[in-house]
Amino acid sequence: QKEVEQDPGPLSVPEGAIVSLNCTYSNSAFQYFMWYRQYSRKGPELLMYTYSSGNKEDGRFTAQVDKSSKYISLFIRDSQPSDSATYLCAMSGRGTSYDKVIFGPGTSLSVIP
Amino acid sequence: DAGITQSPRYKITETGRQVTLMCHQTWSHSYMFWYRQDLGHGLRLIYYSAAADITDKGEVPDGYVVSRSKTENFPLTLESATRSQTSVYFCASSERGFPTNEKLFFGSGTQLSVL
Repeated sequence: QKEVEQDPGPLSVPEGAIVSLNCTYSNSAFQYFMWYRQYSRKGPELLMYTYSSGNKEDGRFTAQVDKSSKYISLFIRDSQPSDSATYLCAMSGRGTSYDKVIFGPGTSLSVIP
Repeated sequence: DAGITQSPRYKITETGRQVTLMCHQTWSHSYMFWYRQDLGHGLRLIYYSAAADITDKGEVPDGYVVSRSKTENFPLTLESATRSQTSVYFCASSERGFPTNEKLFFGSGTQLSVL
């Protein structure tokens, strides 16, 4: 079993839709949870960062962490064509592999105008 | 320009050849990382460095060598390239390391093909 699982998609939604992206993980030592956005032929860029459980909101983006279920989510409200990208969840914590950030495989999102 | 730059952007080589991918950052970040990205595997850590002259292995280090004589440079060398090393390689840096690692800054990547 991989440490971090993520549905690869592709996910296609109409402009204005609410998008839900999810990751599950197996290692309860993870404490720091991140979402990166990666446009085609570009490097990933940090979108959201949360520590432990709870919600964090930033504009149209909301990150949720449920440590009891080992499940994290990223919600995008009023999705725009510019949101079309691959979204990578990432996490880290003491005692995890190499004590460094572990990435999910990414979900490809297309927002259709 | 400020940021993290990788070169070359694209590279084609043959099996058995030595290849070096370059990475340069202008922020003076202490931590630097090399990842490879493959379909279905996501980003996997090859090597990382906490400071100049300090490097350590990541998840998939076999066949790779790194060095860090200066804070701003972190080259990755494939000593004898194999087809399984065909991938997109990303260099990243961060101001802080464990436990937060909260902000990794990535370069634009090097797409390497080994024929």
